Amino acid sequence: EVQLVESGGGLVQPGRSLRLSCAASGFTFDDYAMHWVRQAPGKGLEWVSGISWNGGTIGYADSVKGRFTISRDNAKNSLYLQMNSLRPEDTALYFCAKAVGATTGYYFDYWGQGTLVTVSS
Amino acid sequence: EIVMTQSPANLSVSPGERATLSCRASQSVSSNLAWYQQNPGQAPRLLIYGSSSRATGIPARFSGSGSGTEFTLTISSLQSEDFAVYYCQQYNNWPPYTFGQGTKLEIK
Repeated sequence: EVQLVESGGGLVQPGRSLRLSCAASGFTFDDYAMHWVRQAPGKGLEWVSGISWNGGTIGYADSVKGRFTISRDNAKNSLYLQMNSLRPEDTALYFCAKAVGATTGYYFDYWGQGTLVTVSS
Repeated sequence: EIVMTQSPANLSVSPGERATLSCRASQSVSSNLAWYQQNPGQAPRLLIYGSSSRATGIPARFSGSGSGTEFTLTISSLQSEDFAVYYCQQYNNWPPYTFGQGTKLEIK
């Protein structure tokens, strides 16, 4: 059974940093691209960042480019999102999502339950 | 960036009836369009990929159609568990992948 479990969320002040993790199991992690998608309270889904199977291809939404860094450790079956210079508008539930292919151009077949990030003073 | 626009924002339908949800892309995404269902407090669930292919375990009452810029999700006979929010997503061009703003399907 595919499982994606996010962690690392919490309350943080504007301008500070936070690192999210996603622990994957139930599939061959290094065969697939992985993504982060967020959902602000009461709002829709916003794609944040994605990374190919080997980390060779990475993309970011303009809203987080230069502040967030996605990475993965295939030996640990884990996906990460380093979030720096956090802003109140980054407040959201952050989902980890598995793509159906190894690189870009694929939809997401499994999602975690999310970890909540709240940016407030 | 490809902008995805869903309509209507809210849709009220009676159980047993048909629901038709629309999604429009600001430029062609070929058939690289997925639909997701999200219930309150839950993660999104994949329903349709490739515009018209049902994901594993999705009932046959869900169907998708369209290509290019115009897409439709049809639920043929609404069950109680189908009342949720539905999102379309293009995965033809990235970054970024983009989602529609969602259609909330409510019980009439």
